[in-house]
Amino acid sequence: GAVVSQHPSWVICKSGTSVKIECRSLDFQATTMFWYRQFPKQSLMLMATSNEGSKATYEQGVEKDKFLINHASLTLSTLTVTSAHPEDSSFYICSAPGTGHEEQYFGPGTRLTVT
Amino acid sequence: RKEVEQDPGPFNVPEGATVAFNCTYSNSASQSFFWYRQDCRKEPKLLMSVYSSGNEDGRFTAQLNRASQYISLLIRDSKLSDSATYLCVVNRGGSYIPTFGRGTSLIVHP
Repeated sequence: GAVVSQHPSWVICKSGTSVKIECRSLDFQATTMFWYRQFPKQSLMLMATSNEGSKATYEQGVEKDKFLINHASLTLSTLTVTSAHPEDSSFYICSAPGTGHEEQYFGPGTRLTVT
Repeated sequence: RKEVEQDPGPFNVPEGATVAFNCTYSNSASQSFFWYRQDCRKEPKLLMSVYSSGNEDGRFTAQLNRASQYISLLIRDSKLSDSATYLCVVNRGGSYIPTFGRGTSLIVHP
């Protein structure tokens, strides 16, 4: 099956700094990737749709200037959390749709802790 | 009303039990439906797609009721290893953008 990787798997940063998370499709090309955030015991919340070669589409309530998304190639999307605050601490996951554009293949997630 | 609703549980069942989860969705234009499994602190993994005619994969059976806009998952002969959170996922109508339910927690005990 399709493989999606994420890096780093966990990161601790200080308040006010920026953190970049990478999402790669390893054995297939992904023109679209999705970024989610999951707080403990809650559902995955879609943050944005990352589109290769064009601007990301953000969900309502997600600050595009705070969560910068770049999808410069068919195998890589990055999410940068700028000026991180403790409330940004969460589990960030990316996914890419399968060839049928139906099911999602998920990266292993990045656990961000902002101190 | 939330786009996708699930009873969070937990469902606490003994090994060998049969357990069923339901999920309701609000967008009648949705065309694609899935059940994912998520283990603690891990990413979701696809368990099965849900088709209009219903489908079965071993001990797992998924059903779709379009008229009532709900999806079900039946697990027979529960195993300890089935303990996880089961996520109902509905693609938005006319798109492949997924919407997740909050998940139903299943605990299978000896």
